[in-house]
Amino acid sequence: DAEITQSPRHKITETGRQVTLACHQTWNHNNMFWYRQDLGHGLRLIHYSYGVQDTNKGEVSDGYSVSRSNTEDLPLTLESAASSQTSVYFCASSEDLRRETQYFGPGTRLLVL
Amino acid sequence: GESVGLHLPTLSVQEGDNSIINCAYSNSASDYFIWYKQESGKGPQFIIDIRSNMDKRQGQRVTVLLNKTVKHLSLQIAATQPGDSAVYFCAENFGGSQGNLIFGKGTKLSVKP
Repeated sequence: DAEITQSPRHKITETGRQVTLACHQTWNHNNMFWYRQDLGHGLRLIHYSYGVQDTNKGEVSDGYSVSRSNTEDLPLTLESAASSQTSVYFCASSEDLRRETQYFGPGTRLLVL
Repeated sequence: GESVGLHLPTLSVQEGDNSIINCAYSNSASDYFIWYKQESGKGPQFIIDIRSNMDKRQGQRVTVLLNKTVKHLSLQIAATQPGDSAVYFCAENFGGSQGNLIFGKGTKLSVKP
C-alpha cells in the first residue's frame, strides 16, 4: 500500500547541531509539505514543494531548509538546532493543485536540549 | 511575544450520542474545506471534505455542513464511539495559495463510556 513515512520518530539533539528529518511518500504525489505542531498554535507550515527542484518558504521557515531531488522525498534540515525548535514535525503530501487533500505522516518528535 | 493558549476547547459526549464540532474559518475566498482527526501520538487523518459549491456532505457516520454566509463549518458524528476520542480540526484552502491549507487549532472530543 502507498504511504508516507517519517524518520526518525523520536530525536534528541543539542543546541547548535544540524539535524535532518526524513520524509518519504510512495503515492507519487507532486506536493509535499512540512509542518510543526505546538500547543496553542496548531499546525504551522514550514516549507513546501510542488515538484522536483521546487521549494517554497512557509509561515515559519527561519532556521529550516528543504530540498527536493526526487518525487518521493522531502528532507527537512535544521541548520543549527535551537531550543525553540523543540516540537512535533509532520510531513504531508497531496496529489496536485486541484486535489488539495493532504495526507500526513506519523510525525517526528524532536527535543533540542 | 507569542500568545499561547494551552488548552484546546473540549467537547465531552456520552457514548452513543451525536457530536457536533464547530469551526469558524477565516477567508471568504476559501473554496475547499477538510476535517481531520488526530489521535494522541499520531498524524492527522483525513475524515471528510467539502467544496464551497455544496452546503452538506455525508460520509460514514459523519456529516459536514458549510455555512458560507457566516464562514462556519461543522462536523457531525453520529452514534459517537470511544474510538472517536481525538482532536478534530478543520482546514481551509486559502484562495490563491495553490494546494496550501490553513489549519484551525482543534477541538478535543472526549467520549464517555
